[in-house]
Amino acid sequence: EAQVTQNPRYLITVTGKKLTVTCSQNMNHEYMSWYRQDPGLGLRQIYYSMNVEVTDKGDVPEGYKVSRKEKRNFPLILESPSPNQTSLYFCASSLSSHQPQHFGDGTRLSIL
Amino acid sequence: AQSVTQLDSQVPVFEEAPVELRCNYSSSVSVYLFWYVQYPNQGLQLLLKYLSGSTLVESINGFEAEFNKSQTSFHLRKPSVHISDTAEYFCAVSSGPSNTGKLIFGQGTTLQVKP
Repeated sequence: EAQVTQNPRYLITVTGKKLTVTCSQNMNHEYMSWYRQDPGLGLRQIYYSMNVEVTDKGDVPEGYKVSRKEKRNFPLILESPSPNQTSLYFCASSLSSHQPQHFGDGTRLSIL
Repeated sequence: AQSVTQLDSQVPVFEEAPVELRCNYSSSVSVYLFWYVQYPNQGLQLLLKYLSGSTLVESINGFEAEFNKSQTSFHLRKPSVHISDTAEYFCAVSSGPSNTGKLIFGQGTTLQVKP
């Protein structure tokens, strides 16, 4: 089954404790992206990757890092999480840019 | 800068009634337009897309949207809604030349279908 898998689905943690949210897709997609969803703001792009070792900032990259060492994986790293990063996060992938994106089920992060 | 405006944050409607969810975008270049649906506690699912060709696009579950370039709109319609259509709907645009594939989302419209 074609899918985008995120882990964990839920996480409660404390300010400053590094965390990583994993994202994996099994569709051999070149393009991957991370979004955060906040009430009243819709989804905003954090980082995206056009291919292996090619990443770039989206609209709200501050406080986040990503890497793309393999085509299927695109982890999101919060080196020093803060409460304003409490949000619902989605990973997405597509065959190429401008093609419809497939979304994971989301990761709900709470930073206390 | 590109932007997407969904004109209604909530749309309550009775079952079997028609519905229209409005979406306007701003972009000076060619665009690709999408509607995504999000059911509770789930990710976004593609509902329909406009990439090129016919300006009227349809989904398998009865929704349709029309790309109107002159009015920069991409409104979503369904002639008769079901309870199961209750969800949040997002309009999104991805535009051409920069080729980053970035999706700009609207704020979302909650469709609430009442029995």
